[in-house]
Amino acid sequence: GAVVSQHPSWVICKSGTSVKIECRSLDFQATTMFWYRQFPKQSLMLMATSNEGSKATYEQGVEKDKFLINHASLTLSTLTVTSAHPEDSSFYICSARSPGLAGIEQYFGPGTRLTVT
Amino acid sequence: KQEVTQIPAALSVPEGENLVLNCSFTDSAIYNLQWFRQDPGKGLTSLLLIQSSQREQTSGRLNASLDKSSGRSTLYIAASQPGDSATYLCAVNDNNNDMRFGAGTRLTVKP
Repeated sequence: GAVVSQHPSWVICKSGTSVKIECRSLDFQATTMFWYRQFPKQSLMLMATSNEGSKATYEQGVEKDKFLINHASLTLSTLTVTSAHPEDSSFYICSARSPGLAGIEQYFGPGTRLTVT
Repeated sequence: KQEVTQIPAALSVPEGENLVLNCSFTDSAIYNLQWFRQDPGKGLTSLLLIQSSQREQTSGRLNASLDKSSGRSTLYIAASQPGDSATYLCAVNDNNNDMRFGAGTRLTVKP
């Protein structure tokens, strides 16, 4: 089946620094990738949608200058949290979709736990 | 904007019980609906995907139904086991390919 990986699985950083999270589709080409954020005991909230080779579309309330998304290839998307603050501490999950896969099912990565101290 | 609601928010049952988790959505113009399982601190595991033209899907002890016109889906778990303990998320994929999640139901199955 389609596999999506994320790296790192967890990261701790100091307030004010930036951290990059990678999302890779391992056995398929992902024309579209999605980034979600999940706070403790809450559901996933879509942050942005990125299509390969074009700028990401951000959901209302998500700062595009703070959460930089790059989808430079069909197998890799990155999310960079710039000038991180403790309130950015969350679980970040990416998903990927390819028109070649059955239906339009999204395949989810295992998530990245970000803790900002 | 599509809104997805899951009831109950939490459920605790003894092992062996059959149980039903509920999901409702406000806009019936959906492409598909998907049920996921999430263990604490982990990513999502897809359980069942129901296309808008389908009424139900089954996998092992799990059965998911979809009533698009009323905006409802249920996930039925038969003969629950402690290993079923997790958070179950319902997600609706609308015709614009935008996936919206419910807040989830935290299930605890006690031995």
